[in-house]
Amino acid sequence: SQQGEEDPQALSIQEGENATMNCSYKTSINNLQWYRQNSGRGLVHLILIRSNEREKHSGRLRVTLDTSKKSSSLLITASRAADTASYFCATHPGYGGSQGNLIFGKGTKLSVKP
Amino acid sequence: DAMVIQNPRYQVTQFGKPVTLSCSQTLNHNVMYWYQQKSSQAPKLLFHYYDKDFNNEADTPDNFQSRRPNTSFCFLDIRSPGLGDAAMYLCATSTFLGAETQYFGPGTRLLVL
Repeated sequence: SQQGEEDPQALSIQEGENATMNCSYKTSINNLQWYRQNSGRGLVHLILIRSNEREKHSGRLRVTLDTSKKSSSLLITASRAADTASYFCATHPGYGGSQGNLIFGKGTKLSVKP
Repeated sequence: DAMVIQNPRYQVTQFGKPVTLSCSQTLNHNVMYWYQQKSSQAPKLLFHYYDKDFNNEADTPDNFQSRRPNTSFCFLDIRSPGLGDAAMYLCATSTFLGAETQYFGPGTRLLVL
């Protein structure tokens, strides 16, 4: 069953601008992860934030997590054309579901124009 | 480089004709997963192997089977593909069951004619 819902479904920005994508989920989680998928390719793990963390940084990526609102955001700063891809959040359930079952949202399609 | 490899990258099959997709890994991970991803949708877990233990998701159709002859290889068999089975099939691995990070292959896009 689907857990995460990304917002917006599609985002188009100019190179150099920041891109913000949001993810909401329904049940308790152990951690939340963001993945990137280039068109027609597999998923690449970007960053993981645990349920007891509020913010995490990795290069140009900044992830926040608000467990009270069951939401997360991914910020890509100073975007580049090469950032064009789909971005998925995935939750790792704290309980229930299948062990090791990452539950993915539908994704946000980001287009960065040169 | 250690990685997850999927072959073929593109597979065309006929309606009802059995097809097998292949995944191999050089990471020596204990767990291998198969996901189905339809266009503009979230990847959906079909099943996973923890070592030789097979775990099927409750809503995975019987049409889908899997084999893991050894640590490195895992196969997805679709016994009688229907038009609705056209999708991207993603293989992933993790070090142990419940591990936080999964490593994905590039996927096999299946087309059913």
